[in-house]
Amino acid sequence: EAGVAQSPRYKIIEKRQSVAFWCNPISGHATLYWYQQILGQGPKLLIQFQNNGVVDDSQLPKDRFSAERLKGVDSTLKIQPAKLEDSAVYLCASSRPFYEQYFGPGTRLTVT
Amino acid sequence: AQTVTQSQPEMSVQEAETVTLSCTYDTSESDYYLFWYKQPPSRQMILVIRQEAYKQQNATENRFSVNFQKAAKSFSLKISDSQLGDAAMYFCAYSTGANSKLTFGKGITLSVRP
Repeated sequence: EAGVAQSPRYKIIEKRQSVAFWCNPISGHATLYWYQQILGQGPKLLIQFQNNGVVDDSQLPKDRFSAERLKGVDSTLKIQPAKLEDSAVYLCASSRPFYEQYFGPGTRLTVT
Repeated sequence: AQTVTQSQPEMSVQEAETVTLSCTYDTSESDYYLFWYKQPPSRQMILVIRQEAYKQQNATENRFSVNFQKAAKSFSLKISDSQLGDAAMYFCAYSTGANSKLTFGKGITLSVRP
């Protein structure tokens, strides 16, 4: 069974630029999560999807962050415009009902 | 709001020895799940063990076991016969349901001395 795929693995941008991350969950996993992990901290949920609907986006900075999961499969997270404090690892995870979350390898974003 | 606290930023253990990683949490819920995740330098977060709050029996997975003290809101991870491959960041996490968001602690860096 293939794991959660994410791309790119690394991205360096200048502040005020835009960036997008892609995630493909494990086949059949209806729930998809995006977490932000700042260096030295535990991951923090940004947004959770159930199929193509949003379950929780209470900690998503909506003035600059957006995410979509149009067909209920893969998902894109976008930041526009980026700030220095957005430098972090962005983790995607997926799960099926009543089972644990499986994480992807993450995208390390550096904003200069 | 639920919080997870890991007060030890680093720990070290001799290979083949036993180490215990501490975690406390705060919640007003009666049903919830607790997890320990391992994150090696490659960054892929891997589930180590999970505990359902309604279960009184402590979970075990091979060399990994937990000491779940519900009244004290404590959830420690014991690693027996430590191996070099156990070196990683370990995160304690909480969720209110099997498909609910995870709330993580700050993590602890475990090093294993050969």
